[in-house]
Formats: sequence, structure tokens, C-alpha cells
Amino acid sequence: QKEVEQNSGPLSVPEGAIASLNCTYSDRGSQSFFWYRQYSGKSPELIMSIYSNGDKEDGRFTAQLNKASQYVSLLIRDSQPSDSATYLCAVLPNAGNNRKLIWGLGTSLGVNP
Amino acid sequence: KAGVTQTPRYLIKTRGQQVTLSCSPISGHRSVSWYQQTPGQGLQFLFEYFSETQRNKGNFPGRFSGRQFSNSRSEMNVSTLELGDSALYLCASSLVPVGSGTPRTQYFGPGTRLTVL
Repeated sequence: QKEVEQNSGPLSVPEGAIASLNCTYSDRGSQSFFWYRQYSGKSPELIMSIYSNGDKEDGRFTAQLNKASQYVSLLIRDSQPSDSATYLCAVLPNAGNNRKLIWGLGTSLGVNP
Repeated sequence: KAGVTQTPRYLIKTRGQQVTLSCSPISGHRSVSWYQQTPGQGLQFLFEYFSETQRNKGNFPGRFSGRQFSNSRSEMNVSTLELGDSALYLCASSLVPVGSGTPRTQYFGPGTRLTVL
């Protein structure tokens, strides 16, 4: 059973701090990784995708991928109250003809003014 | 470019009834996936359609079915509703199936909130 695990939280950080969200996955051959943000009562929206080991930066967001250790993380710099949301990690396994995204349950983040 | 649209946004049904939900993907997107989201289970994959064919299916009973039309619009049907079917149903579209070749990003619609009484 391919799995994706995230700490459910809630993770609470003060405004301006760095929020660090982690995601581990069980399928070692996974190649594609996605971070989505979901505000309460809304649908998930893509923050970023990452496919190669290392860091990928987009504005205040940085995704970090370590395939050897089978984890992907999301760093949010200068956290704002508007970043308060649930962050979903999704992983695309590598094997099989009809691959589908495997989703974590999400980490709830609260940024305190 | 318009995003993914879903109708209706809210539905209230009673046990035993059936329901049909509709999804229109982003223009040019030919793949549509459906998910059920509940607080305890997170995002659960229902099925994916591409070119009017079901390409992938999750672990849901046969009461859940779907189809895709030639214009890529998709419908999802749930028959004989149960209380446990109360959830947010999300549709996501991508250019081609998520699992085909080069990774493809899914974009979600606003969802349909189904309440079964």
C-alpha cells in the first residue's frame, strides 16, 4: 500500500517566522511531488510541484525533496496570517500504467499575528 | 482562462435518493478526476476520465459512477445515497491524465457539498 504521511498539526507559528511542513512517502520510486493549499471550506490550490532532488523556490515558498530519505518538505518564509490553511502533499508513484496521485491527510497551519 | 466549474455547489438529499454532479474542466483539458473529501479520510480518489473513457478507479462501491462527454465535461452519479456519502466532492482537471508520461498538474474546481439526511 503506497502511503503519504503528514503531521496533522495544528502547527502554529508567529507572523514573520518560517513554517516548515513535512511529508514522507513509502514508494521509493516516486518521481513527482505536489504541494496544495486548502483554505477552510475551499478547494485545494496548487502551490508548487517538484521532481528533482534539492530545493525549488517560488517567492516565499521553498519545496525540498530528498528521494534517498523519501521526504518532501515545504518551507514558508515570512509567514503571514493569510497562510493559515491546510497544506496537502500529493505524490505520484512511478510504477504502473494508470498511476494516480496519493494524498496525505494534510497539515493544518495557523499563523498568529 | 476560466477555471474548473462544478454544479451544483450545494446539495441536500435524503437516504436512498440518487444524485448527479457536473464538472466542466479548464478549456483544453481532457482529463477529469473526481475525489471525495471528508474530515477523517482526506482526499479519496474516485475515478479519472480521459477521452470519454474511465482510465482509473478508486476503491468505492458501484453506487458511484461517472462518465465523460466528447467536450470533456464530466458527470458523477451516486445512487442509493447513504449518510456516509455526505462529503465535499471535488473535480480536478489536467491536460492529459496525471499519470501519463510527463507529470501533469491537476487544478481543482470549487467542489459540490453534498449533505445526506
